[in-house]
Amino acid sequence: DADVTQTPRNRITKTGKRIMLECSQTKGHDRMYWYRQDPGLGLRLIYYSFDVKDINKGEISDGYSVSRQAQAKFSLSLESAIPNQTALYFCATSDLPSDVRTDTQYFGPGTRLTVL
Amino acid sequence: AQSVAQPEDQVNVAEGNPLTVKCTYSVSGNPYLFWYVQYPNRGLQFLLKYITGDNLVKGSYGFEAEFNKSQTSFHLKKPSALVSDSALYFCAVKGGQNFVFGPGTRLSVLP
Repeated sequence: DADVTQTPRNRITKTGKRIMLECSQTKGHDRMYWYRQDPGLGLRLIYYSFDVKDINKGEISDGYSVSRQAQAKFSLSLESAIPNQTALYFCATSDLPSDVRTDTQYFGPGTRLTVL
Repeated sequence: AQSVAQPEDQVNVAEGNPLTVKCTYSVSGNPYLFWYVQYPNRGLQFLLKYITGDNLVKGSYGFEAEFNKSQTSFHLKKPSALVSDSALYFCAVKGGQNFVFGPGTRLSVLP
């Protein structure tokens, strides 16, 4: 079984619709992240959470919101989707090692979102 | 602010030949550098990381990376490429609390 799962895997929606992408993990990690991947741009950080009570904006948080429902669950919402939010979205987790410099991230399989 | 560059969008290599995927970085302070691989329809998978110590880092699937501080580079290498190595490769730097990823390099290993 996968340690980090994302639902849905694919979604097509229309401009203006509200969309929620969900992420669950069984790794027991405290830290969770949402990234978007665009061709030629690599991964860009949208939001991250270091524990259930800690939510932080990343590089490109405008137009997105998140909810950390439990240690294992981290959801990303697009309140009113627009076409330039068409991208591949990844959830990731990491543990807090004794040395934060050695952090390693574990990624889910991704959600391909298309906004028409 | 930290940044990562991968100067090649695409690298083609024949099976059995050595491969190199290039990465250069910019970071204030000590660099913590990573390589991830993405296979089709999959999330990124960790390959290896440089924190400190030996400049040659060995990772998964026979990959290794060479850290060069003077050239601010962290190139990914493998002595003998396999067709199954064909994938998208990302270099990343850890600065502060978060990672910064490069744009990715698509590696194609031709049989």
